[in-house]
Amino acid sequence: DTGVSQNPRHKITKRGQNVTFRCDPISEHNRLYWYRQTLGQGPEFLTYFQNEAQLEKSRLLSDRFSAERPKGSFSTLEIQRTEQGDSAMYLCASSLARGFVSFTDTQYFGPGTRLTVL
Amino acid sequence: TQLLEQSPQFLSIQEGENLTVYCNSSSVFSSLQWYRQEPGEGPVLLVTVVTGGEVKKLKRLTFQFGDARKDSSLHITAAQPGDTGLYLCAGYTTGNQFYFGTGTSLTVIP
Repeated sequence: DTGVSQNPRHKITKRGQNVTFRCDPISEHNRLYWYRQTLGQGPEFLTYFQNEAQLEKSRLLSDRFSAERPKGSFSTLEIQRTEQGDSAMYLCASSLARGFVSFTDTQYFGPGTRLTVL
Repeated sequence: TQLLEQSPQFLSIQEGENLTVYCNSSSVFSSLQWYRQEPGEGPVLLVTVVTGGEVKKLKRLTFQFGDARKDSSLHITAAQPGDTGLYLCAGYTTGNQFYFGTGTSLTVIP
């Protein structure tokens, strides 16, 4: 397995357009996370899935954002009616969680999708 | 206000110098992790510390978890240009919430 992959790596869009990003986690990993990161700052948690169930969503995830993981494998993050403030790096991570959330859970990150909204 | 504050935010040093990065919080963490991130890439895990007072070493990097599990430090000895990157602490609170720190951007000048 080559790790977590994300597509596209870069996306430039005009304000008001919809965009969709894809994340393919490490194959045996049951947990998948989405983060947003602005330049030079730490990532901010958006949402996470355990298998196909979306278990937690940050208040940062406005109603213009939606994430899915339909078969418990890959995930998509869609942003509708993009705004310039949505410009950021969107990171996906996956982990193999044994039982309830573990404080030793190790997340493996993908390379991210950099979104620029003009 | 961020739950995990890192200092300094930016650090530029000469090759061969030593440095320490701090990660502080008013909250107790079940574990703390340190990541390094290079431009255009995702963060890569360096270490996880789980016991108060724990010290872990990874070659020239030394990580320490505070006794009260509210803070951590990363010390780099004899920094090299390959150490350049964004260093991030992150951790699970006792309520199982995961947070990243504010980040420290390190530049090592040859």
